[in-house]
Amino acid sequence: DVKVTQSSRYLVKRTGEKVFLECVQDMDHENMFWYRQDPGLGLRLIYFSYDVKMKEKGDIPEGYSVSREKKERFSLILESASTNQTSMYLCASSLFRTTRNQPQHFGDGTRLSIL
Amino acid sequence: SQQGEEDPQALSIQEGENATMNCSYKTSINNLQWYRQNSGRGLVHLILIRSNEREKHSGRLRVTLDTSKKSSSLLITASRAADTASYFCATVFISSGSARQLTFGSGTQLTVLP
Repeated sequence: DVKVTQSSRYLVKRTGEKVFLECVQDMDHENMFWYRQDPGLGLRLIYFSYDVKMKEKGDIPEGYSVSREKKERFSLILESASTNQTSMYLCASSLFRTTRNQPQHFGDGTRLSIL
Repeated sequence: SQQGEEDPQALSIQEGENATMNCSYKTSINNLQWYRQNSGRGLVHLILIRSNEREKHSGRLRVTLDTSKKSSSLLITASRAADTASYFCATVFISSGSARQLTFGSGTQLTVLP
């Protein structure tokens, strides 16, 4: 089974802090994703990566950056945390294929509160 | 937005009954996927249906896809209390610049009462 591990289940930070959320997958997947989930809004894609050192913006990249130095690890960075970034953050991975028919595998999420 | 929309937003049924959730989307898709999320956990992939398929089964799950109406339904038969969760549809659009992106709906919260 694919295992996607997010480093923290709960995190509390202060406004203006630089925040790192870590995600590791153990199945050699090429693609990795960061979403945020807010009530009534579903999941919104922040950034994704299809290879080491590669990244693409999702729907809501403002205020975030990412890093993928190793294939198994994808980090989400809040450069200067703000209260509107309080949310549930979900990491996912998927296998690359030329077809688009690949499911994503999710971690358990990090509930981040910015005070 | 190309986001899918689930209907209803919330559904409450008795154990043993069937649960039907619907998903509508706006543009042509490559495939549609259904996911489940237990409270406070990540999403779990349930089933994928390709755009050239009309129906698919997996255990107690039955998914249909009507591309002419741009809609899909997820049927859970003989529901159990353990089926209580949020259910999301997610689509890969043909016009998507990336072969890897999913667009999620806002979900249906299913409660199965014992």
